[in-house]
Amino acid sequence: DQQVKQNSPSLSVQEGRISILNCDYTNSMFDYFLWYKKYPAEGPTFLISISSIKDKNEDGRFTVFLNKSAKHLSLHIVPSQPGDSAVYFCAASGRGGGATNKLIFGTGTLLAVQP
Amino acid sequence: DVKVTQSSRYLVKRTGEKVFLECVQDMDHENMFWYRQDPGLGLRLIYFSYDVKMKEKGDIPEGYSVSREKKERFSLILESASTNQTSMYLCASSFPLPTGGRGNQHFGDGTRLSIL
Repeated sequence: DQQVKQNSPSLSVQEGRISILNCDYTNSMFDYFLWYKKYPAEGPTFLISISSIKDKNEDGRFTVFLNKSAKHLSLHIVPSQPGDSAVYFCAASGRGGGATNKLIFGTGTLLAVQP
Repeated sequence: DVKVTQSSRYLVKRTGEKVFLECVQDMDHENMFWYRQDPGLGLRLIYFSYDVKMKEKGDIPEGYSVSREKKERFSLILESASTNQTSMYLCASSFPLPTGGRGNQHFGDGTRLSIL
């Protein structure tokens, strides 16, 4: 059963506009959420995270919003740039995982930013 | 800067072979992970290790085993390779969780494994 879902396999956006990537989760024990970015032939790299005690976290052009009641988070990229074209994975971890930060990943969204 | 190095970028093996994928990290991380990435399925955890000689099954451990004899090295073993194990394999490492904190995982660049 997919506990972390990214329902949009792909997204195309014009350069300079906003990109919004969405992620839904089902497990209410998740209390920490991350976004990773992956270019072809490279490993995922950490982008931004948010704790469940917050509803927004911002880092430059990237903002993550968390709606706990809806079990939904989103990543906003403003303004979008062609170099942002990549696969974006959301991931979640929860309480009770012990010392390992085992992450549950979504299926990914391929973002294409058109010049 | 954290460096997670996977020994091969591309690997081609035959059905039934025993295959070893190696991963080394240079940040003294306690935790190490092996994932596979497949289209439409995202990253799925195969095995992880939280200390030398310690290992735990992830979500899809069948057909795989692991070895962690040294802290910096985590090996993934395909006991008898099959075509459905053709995939991108990703290794990651992280510090353990302190109380109230979170350790982000750092990934290698992956090994594209093809089983013929």
